[in-house]
Formats: sequence, structure tokens, C-alpha cells
Amino acid sequence: DAKTTQPPSMDCAEGRAANLPCNHSTISGNEYVYWYRQIHSQGPQYIIHGLKNNETNEMASLIITEDRKSSTLILPHATLRDTAVYYCIVALSGGSNYKLTFGKGTLLTVNP
Amino acid sequence: GAVVSQHPSWVICKSGTSVKIECRSLDFQATTMFWYRQFPKQSLMLMATSNEGSKATYEQGVEKDKFLINHASLTLSTLTVTSAHPEDSSFYICSIRGIGYTFGSGTRLTVV
Repeated sequence: DAKTTQPPSMDCAEGRAANLPCNHSTISGNEYVYWYRQIHSQGPQYIIHGLKNNETNEMASLIITEDRKSSTLILPHATLRDTAVYYCIVALSGGSNYKLTFGKGTLLTVNP
Repeated sequence: GAVVSQHPSWVICKSGTSVKIECRSLDFQATTMFWYRQFPKQSLMLMATSNEGSKATYEQGVEKDKFLINHASLTLSTLTVTSAHPEDSSFYICSIRGIGYTFGSGTRLTVV
């Protein structure tokens, strides 16, 4: 079973920041938070991941609360091509249990 | 990150026939690959974990005799859907575990 909770859908205006929340209240100390997105009829695309510190890359920023029970993915300037289902996943970084289990994700629709 | 090639991107087959889907890791020696299935408007469901040189580990409820997985080399895993039926029509996606996860572009299987 997925260990994360995300809103089923969100809207964002083109050019504005998109903030996608995720609750993972049962996360364990050695589990990472991963974010992937899936554009219609394509394979999932890696966005970012983190353990407890905030992370930023060329695609997005990841803000993890101090208690690690929730996180927010930030797309700083959303474009129409960012319309996709965004998945927040918690998983170990290694070992036999290192596999990604997908929840239902958030459908982000970026509007012109 | 690693590059994954999945082939074919789509296939239509007759009921009762078998279909083979290939997943290739182009620039990474993947000891572990994963196979997912995704029905319309649903999330990805992990079917099995494929380990190079050994038998695949199937998730609960996935028939190992129907979904044959072969991972004979570090760069190739295959999924064969045997005696396909219309209810096997789905989007099949492979993933490799390297530095993080990388997903293939998926295979749309339609059984008629």
C-alpha cells in the first residue's frame, strides 16, 4: 500500500509557481521522499528526491518539514508542458525493499 | 541518469497468443529491473522484480506462469504475456534500479 497522501488534482496558472503537497506521516528514518511525474501515456519521469534537507535541481525544489511527515514539491514557473500526474513516493535507498510503490498521485493541470 | 529503452511502444495481438516486451538498459548494468502495469486512469502497479541471473519475484496476485520474466543479462529484461486475453490489455512499464529509478517509455498492449 502507498504510504503517502496527495490531493487528487490541482490547477495552476502558466508562469506561476505550482506547490504540490504530500503527507507521509508514517515515514521511517531511513526512507527517502521521491517525486516522479507521468505525462499521459509515457513512463514516469524522475523529478527530485530528498531525505530531510530541502533539495533543488533544475526542475524543481523539494521542501521537507522538520518532522519529515510532509513535503512540498515546487515547480517555480509552471508551463503547459508540466501538466501531468505527480507522484510522491517514500522508499528506502537500498536493500531488498528498495522498490517504488505508486499511490494515486496528483493531476496537475497548468492553465494558459 | 540511466537510459532505458522499451520495445515495442505499442502492440496489438489476438486473444490466446503471446507477446514479448523488451526492456533494455542502454548505459547501465542493471542487476535489478522492475515491471509495472497501469490500467486506464489508474496508478502504476508493481508486477514483479526481475533480478539478473535468478528467478523474478512476483507481487501478490500476479500469475508468474502468465507473465514470464527473463533477465538473462545486465542490460536486458523481457516480459512475456502468455495466452493473452482482452483483460491483459494495459500499459506495461519497466524500470531499472541504478542511481535512483529510471523508467522506460511503456508498452501499450491491446488484446483483441
